[in-house]
Amino acid sequence: EVQLVESGGGLVQPGGSLRLSCAASGFTLINFWMSWVRQTPEKGLEWVANIKQDGSATYYVDSVRGRFTISRDNAENSLFLQMNSLRVEDTAIYYCTRVANAYFDYWGQGALVTVSS
Amino acid sequence: EIVLTQSPATLSLSPGERATLSCRASQSINTYLGWYQQKPGQAPRLVMYDTSKRATGIPARFSGSGSGTDFTLTISSLEPEDFAVYYCQQRSYWPQTFGQGTKVEIK
Repeated sequence: EVQLVESGGGLVQPGGSLRLSCAASGFTLINFWMSWVRQTPEKGLEWVANIKQDGSATYYVDSVRGRFTISRDNAENSLFLQMNSLRVEDTAIYYCTRVANAYFDYWGQGALVTVSS
Repeated sequence: EIVLTQSPATLSLSPGERATLSCRASQSINTYLGWYQQKPGQAPRLVMYDTSKRATGIPARFSGSGSGTDFTLTISSLEPEDFAVYYCQQRSYWPQTFGQGTKVEIK
């Protein structure tokens, strides 16, 4: 059974940093692109970042490029999202997702990130 | 960026009825459209991809159609577990984008 379990969410002040982790199981991580997708009541679902199977290529939505870094450790079956210079508008539920043919075929339960003073 | 517009915002139907959800793209996306189902407190779940291909474990009462800019997700006979919010997503152009959702609620 494919499972994705996020951790690391929480409350952080504007300008602060947070690192999300995602533990993957039930499939061979190195065979798949992986993504982070976030959700807010105001903006709905928004793709945030992608990373290629071997980590050699990464892509970001414009609003987070230069502030967020997606990475992975295939040996540890883990995906990460380092979030720096956080803004109030980054407040969202962040989902770790597996990518198949550019669709998000499995999702974690989500990690809530709240950016507030 | 491709904008996906879903209609209606809310669909009020009874179990056993047919649900027809629409998703319109701001420009042609071929057939590169998917649908997700989200229930309260849960993550989205992939239902359909490439317009008409059912994802793993999705029952045959779900079907998809369309091409270019206009797409439809049809649930032929609503079961109690189908009442949820449905989102469309395009993969034709970077960045992948989602629609704002259609809520299918019990009438």
